[in-house]
Amino acid sequence: GENVEQHPSTLSVQEGDSAVIKCTYSDSASNYFPWYKQELGKRPQLIIDIRSNVGEKKDQRIAVTLNKTAKHFSLHITETQPEDSAVYFCAARPPGFQKLVFGTGTRLLVSP
Amino acid sequence: GAGVSQSPSNKVTEKGKDVELRCDPISGHTALYWYRQRLGQGLEFLIYFQGNSAPDKSGLPSDRFSAERTGESVSTLTIQRTQQEDSAVYLCASSLLVAPPYNEQFFGPGTRLTVL
Repeated sequence: GENVEQHPSTLSVQEGDSAVIKCTYSDSASNYFPWYKQELGKRPQLIIDIRSNVGEKKDQRIAVTLNKTAKHFSLHITETQPEDSAVYFCAARPPGFQKLVFGTGTRLLVSP
Repeated sequence: GAGVSQSPSNKVTEKGKDVELRCDPISGHTALYWYRQRLGQGLEFLIYFQGNSAPDKSGLPSDRFSAERTGESVSTLTIQRTQQEDSAVYLCASSLLVAPPYNEQFFGPGTRLTVL
């Protein structure tokens, strides 16, 4: 079945710097890749997603890139702010299923 | 509008007891999912319901775990004879199922289960 690996597990940056989180997936037919942000003690919330027929998507300071050949996708956050501090999860949807397979999460800490 | 709700928010139980967790999806959402999140870990899929179709139970870790859903409303996840390794946050999510597979899953706040 699908397997998603996520790196790094923790990431510390200074406010204003960029942050990049990378995920790889195993099933080349997976077709949907969302990113969720989970603040401490709160529910995961979708921040951006990308479909397999698109290479890049941007939403203000957040962007996601997808390389289907290499089977990896990345989250890019520019001009980081302290409120970006949270755990970020990537996920992939394998073909023929509705479930999401999640990575193990990246704890991002943005220091003022 | 109201989001996904779950109850109880916290549950402490003794090893060997049965527990029942409840999820109320967003009204009109036909798809419902249960995930488990162990401390410091990612989300682990448990089960998926869609209308009257047979549920996808492929993520249930053992026969001690079961779930039910009545129509397109409330779902309950039951864990029998709880073990300490069942301690986790159990998250429920719901989604519309239009133009699949690109359906955003909306998560509830979770039930934190602690098995002593």
